Amino acid sequence: DQQVKQNSPSLSVQEGRISILNCDYTNSMFDYFLWYKKYPAEGPTFLISISSIKDKNEDGRFTVFLNKSAKHLSLHIVPSQPGDSAVYFCAASAESGAQKLVFGQGTRLTINP
Amino acid sequence: NAGVMQNPRHLVRRRGQEARLRCSPMKGHSHVYWYRQLPEEGLKFMVYLQKENIIDESGMPKERFSAEFPKEGPSILRIQQVVRGDSAAYFCASSLGSYNEQFFGPGTRLTVL
Repeated sequence: DQQVKQNSPSLSVQEGRISILNCDYTNSMFDYFLWYKKYPAEGPTFLISISSIKDKNEDGRFTVFLNKSAKHLSLHIVPSQPGDSAVYFCAASAESGAQKLVFGQGTRLTINP
Repeated sequence: NAGVMQNPRHLVRRRGQEARLRCSPMKGHSHVYWYRQLPEEGLKFMVYLQKENIIDESGMPKERFSAEFPKEGPSILRIQQVVRGDSAAYFCASSLGSYNEQFFGPGTRLTVL
C-alpha cells in the first residue's frame, strides 16, 4: 500500500531551466509534507516543507505547491543548477509533522550543463 | 555541532549472524527514528524512540528486530539471525521534539551474504 507516490523515477533538465518534481498521496489524514534531497552514500537532507493549511511555500530557488483536493504536491526548482542533481524524496506525515514520515520512492533529477 | 552519527557505515554479515547498528543523535536531540531503504525504494519507517522509551514500533518486523535508546549512549537497532532480505540501507534520524524537523544520519549499509 503505497500511500505516497512519485511516479517519475527520473527527470532530466537543462541547467538554468525549471525542474518540476511531482508527488501524489492517498491518505487524507496527512497534513504535513516535506521534500528531502539525497546524494549517493549520504542520508536525506531536508529541503522544504508545507503544512496542509497552506498551498504554497517558497524558500529561495525552491517552491512547494500543495493541491489538497487533488492530493498532489510538487517541488519547483528554478533556476536548476548542476549541484541539484540528486534523488528527491517526497514525504508526508499526519499530526502536523510528528513522528513517522511516509516516503515516496524518489525521483532522480539530473541537471545537464 | 556534529550531525547525526551512524556506525558502522558498512556492515557485512553471514546469514544467521547478528547485526548491531548504532546511532548517536544530534546534540540536544532526544527523539530518534529508524528507517530502512531497500534498493530502488523509498525509506520505510521502522521505529520511533525517546530516551528509554519506544514510542511507535509499528514499522518493525515482528521477529528478529529490536531497538533501544538507553539513558546513556547511542540508540541501537539490533537484527538477530539475519537473512538476505535484511540487506538494505538503515537510516537513523533525530529531532528536538515530536513536531520538529528530522535530521538524518549517513546510514549503515548492511549486506547479508
